[in-house]
Amino acid sequence: DAMVIQNPRYQVTQFGKPVTLSCSQTLNHNVMYWYQQKSSQAPKLLFHYYDKDFNNEADTPDNFQSRRPNTSFCFLDIRSPGLGDAAMYLCATSRDRGDNGYTFGSGTRLTVV
Amino acid sequence: GQNIDQPTEMTATEGAIVQINCTYQTSGFNGLFWYQQHAGEAPTFLSYNVLDGLEEKGRFSSFLSRSKGYSYLLLKELQMKDSASYLCAVRDRTGGSYIPTFGRGTSLIVHP
Repeated sequence: DAMVIQNPRYQVTQFGKPVTLSCSQTLNHNVMYWYQQKSSQAPKLLFHYYDKDFNNEADTPDNFQSRRPNTSFCFLDIRSPGLGDAAMYLCATSRDRGDNGYTFGSGTRLTVV
Repeated sequence: GQNIDQPTEMTATEGAIVQINCTYQTSGFNGLFWYQQHAGEAPTFLSYNVLDGLEEKGRFSSFLSRSKGYSYLLLKELQMKDSASYLCAVRDRTGGSYIPTFGRGTSLIVHP
């Protein structure tokens, strides 16, 4: 089945140690998004790629970076994780920015120790 | 940006009907989405409204009033598996972004 896959499902990292979360999609969608969701809060958009065009949200900390080497893959790099970065990280895709409905991956729950 | 408001938590009985409200303020409204999110899992798409009125899809219906900045999600014949968080998301075309902003969600607890 075509889908959005995030690995790993759970990630534990040390304070200050760089960590990379991955997302892949078989939908051949143009747009890929990364959201951060903390407990009982709304998913917060960090950035998105429209094809190779990177779009950063104004309030996304510099600590968060992203790469999209090809259509299928997108990575979220956290350069120096702090305790406040512990959250669920959701990857989503859509055919176009104005598409009606996103397809989300199962998420990666990040713990910082 | 959007200002989206939903109740934090609701409880209901199995077999009953529940209505989850969402109010929003936005300058360039371009659609409202409802997503279901079970604990620890990703959101799944439920419905999309861009015109006023009711959209029915099985046990779930979604209503929109653009003039009032108001939507609701109606769940009928509640089942235990409907216990989840329900996220309202509003899309704004201002600035050409077209990317929805999510509310913090309403946690629905269905009990026997």
